[in-house]
This record gives sequence, C-alpha cells and structure tokens, in this order.
Amino acid sequence: GQNIDQPTEMTATEGAIVQINCTYQTSGFNGLFWYQQHAGEAPTFLSYNVLDGLEEKGRFSSFLSRSKGYSYLLLKELQMKDSASYLCAVRDQDYQLIWGAGTKLIIKP
Amino acid sequence: GAVVSQHPSRVICKSGTSVKIECRSLDFQATTMFWYRQFPKKSLMLMATSNEGSKATYEQGVEKDKFLINHASLTLSTLTVTSAHPEDSSFYICSARDPRRDYEQYFGPGTRLTVT
Repeated sequence: GQNIDQPTEMTATEGAIVQINCTYQTSGFNGLFWYQQHAGEAPTFLSYNVLDGLEEKGRFSSFLSRSKGYSYLLLKELQMKDSASYLCAVRDQDYQLIWGAGTKLIIKP
Repeated sequence: GAVVSQHPSRVICKSGTSVKIECRSLDFQATTMFWYRQFPKKSLMLMATSNEGSKATYEQGVEKDKFLINHASLTLSTLTVTSAHPEDSSFYICSARDPRRDYEQYFGPGTRLTVT
C-alpha cells in the first residue's frame, strides 16, 4: 500500500527553527509537495521537490532524498503566523497526490 | 500563482435538501479537477477526480449517486450533495491541475457545509 508518515503535532518557540519530517512509500514517485493549512482554510502551496537536495525559499526550505523516501520542511525564524498544519503529499506514478495526515505546528511566544 | 475560486464559502441547509458547490479555475484551463473532503483535525480525503467532458472517477467508498460531479467546461466543476444529512457536514475543497506548471494543483478556498 501507499503510505506517508509525518508527526501529528510539534511545538516550537517564536524565532526558533523547526524541522518537520515526512517519510513515504508510494507506487512510483513524481514529486513531493509541502502545503500549509491554517484552521478553517484550504491548503496553500509551499514547495515542490522532484530531485534530491535542498530547495530554499525565504524562511522555508524543503529537502528530499528519494533513495530514503524522506523529506523535511525546515522553517526558520518562526513567527506566530506560522502556527498551522503542514501537509506532505507525494505524487505517485499515476500523477495522483497521496496525502499525509498533516503535522500541526504550535508556535509559543 | 494560478487562482481557483469556490462558491459558496459557507452554506447551511436542512436535512434532505441538495446543495451545489462550484469550483472555477480563473486564469487557466483545467482539464482535471479534484474534490476533497476534510473532517476536523484530519487530512484531506480525495472524493473524486473530475475530468472535463467525461464521467468523474470516484474513490472507493464515495457514493457517486450522492455526490454528483459535473465538469462541463475547462474552467468549471460542480459538486452536488444530494439529500444531505447531518453526517455530510464537512469542509469540501476543490483543486484544479494546471497543465502549464508541471500539473501542479491549486486549491480553492473551500466550502463549509453544515446540514441541520
């Protein structure tokens, strides 16, 4: 079966750095996405990785290792507005998105 | 980035009535749109894949006669919840695949359905 694992909840302090991990087992691989979702809102796109390595975009970076079936989202200089759920999704061989359950990130002052 | 709109954003209806939710891609033509359902504190659950000009593909366990999907044009897909019941209350989100951007999906803002 296809499976994506990510921690259910994480807590971090404002101004700090947090890393949210995602591991996956899917039928084929055509890219990994990270989305941010605030409560009561639809997900918004954060990053896309299809090759191994680190993609940096401002305070957010995403890393991918295809051989290990592993990705992480790194958030730096955390702000209160970063409190949200972070969803990891993998596009499989049929170009279907397989979703993780999401990681709820709580930022404390 | 690409824009997807969804209407209405919130709807309250009585049990037994039907509700239609519209999903539009505003600045690109989407041959494929997706309908998701999300329960509180849960991840997205794909309900069906909507292909322009053909029948939708429903995920296992989703009743096609209850959740009617129509993708009549390259910019519009509709989801109709028929004979709604309180257990249908949920957050419904559509997304559209942009063929210009490596088939990246863009999400609509979602529709909060409450059935009383």
